[in-house]
Amino acid sequence: QVQLVQSGAEVKKPGASVKVSCKASGYTFTSYGISWVRQAPGQGLEWMGWISAYNGNTNYAQKLQGRVTMTTDTSTSTAYMELRSLRSDDTAVYYCARDGVWYSSGGFDYWGQGTLVTVSS
Amino acid sequence: EIVLTQSPATLSLSPGERATLSCRASQSVSSYLAWYQQKPGQAPRLLIYDASNRATGIPARFSGSGSGTDFTLTISSLEPEDFAVYYCQQRSNWPPTTFGQGTKLEIK
Repeated sequence: QVQLVQSGAEVKKPGASVKVSCKASGYTFTSYGISWVRQAPGQGLEWMGWISAYNGNTNYAQKLQGRVTMTTDTSTSTAYMELRSLRSDDTAVYYCARDGVWYSSGGFDYWGQGTLVTVSS
Repeated sequence: EIVLTQSPATLSLSPGERATLSCRASQSVSSYLAWYQQKPGQAPRLLIYDASNRATGIPARFSGSGSGTDFTLTISSLEPEDFAVYYCQQRSNWPPTTFGQGTKLEIK
């Protein structure tokens, strides 16, 4: 069965960086992409960006350009999302979700369990 | 960026009733619209993609309709497990993909 398993919760200080991992299993990793979505406490869903696991192409949300980097390791079927220069408003649950390989598909059909990132001094 | 506006913000209904949730786009998204269900402490779950196609394993009581700028998610007869927050998402003119602000479906 398809599974996306994310790394554990993180607590970071303002200005630090965080790197969240998302290990995929149950499907051919390079036949899909991964989108990252975050959800601040009590708020809605915000798309952060997408990466193709086939060729590493990325598209990032404009507001995060310059602070976010998404990568994949095809040898371990793992996707990574690194967010730098953390601020308090980056406190959120971060999700990875399976997406299309060439562009964003019609829906994110499998999701990770979420990783809580808390930014606090 | 395409803005999705969901209504109502909160919908109070009883089990067995019919639920109708709306999602309106600031410009046409063709049929590139999905619906998700999210329960507290859980990741979202894909219900409907491309406006009217049920995702794998989704019960037939969930249906989606619409195209262009106006979309509807209908739950024909509410089960206790259906009370949750529902989000719409568009992928037209990607990137970016955007989500609506959500509709909370609560027990009356």
